[in-house]
Amino acid sequence: AQSVTQLDSQVPVFEEAPVELRCNYSSSVSVYLFWYVQYPNQGLQLLLKYLSGSTLVESINGFEAEFNKSQTSFHLRKPSVHISDTAEYFCAVSSSGGSYIPTFGRGTSLIVHP
Amino acid sequence: NAGVTQTPKFRILKIGQSMTLQCTQDMNHNYMYWYRQDPGMGLKLIYYSVGAGITDKGEVPNGYNVSRSTTEDFPLRLELAAPSQTSVYFCASSWRETEAFFGQGTRLTVV
Repeated sequence: AQSVTQLDSQVPVFEEAPVELRCNYSSSVSVYLFWYVQYPNQGLQLLLKYLSGSTLVESINGFEAEFNKSQTSFHLRKPSVHISDTAEYFCAVSSSGGSYIPTFGRGTSLIVHP
Repeated sequence: NAGVTQTPKFRILKIGQSMTLQCTQDMNHNYMYWYRQDPGMGLKLIYYSVGAGITDKGEVPNGYNVSRSTTEDFPLRLELAAPSQTSVYFCASSWRETEAFFGQGTRLTVV
């Protein structure tokens, strides 16, 4: 079985400050990890993914996440946030143990204040 | 490419009514999914399919049914709607271990 825990339901931060959204997973086999972003009244969009190779992955809009196998974590970071980053962020895991079906965390609401 | 298309976007149902949520993808993905999203609860898997003619239950299948007669289409059927089925429903598709592509969602209210 696989599962995902997002440790913070809400993260308030001021504009231009750094932010970290935490994600821990559990799985007994090799995993594929994803971060999705959801803007109000929209579907989820992929932000970044780890499938294999380098453990540090980046998005085009400045987010990055690091796959840490020993800590079973995949935390999302951004060194300087913008108002437009305000959204819901979901961490997801898939694995052969879960038939490659993605399991999602409960989401973290990032609120960026001016 | 349209990606994943869901219809309708909004619907109000009376208790006991039935409806079908439509989902179509044009990316030739083999995997398709239906999730429901409730506030603070993340996404819960209702049903999934790994190819035409193959479907299986997810975490919360009660009160729902699916079929997959083609690669492109994966409709979700609600029989005898109940207030507990008030939610936002998302259809998604993917290749096996790669990222999922989501539709825009269907906001369903059962009154």
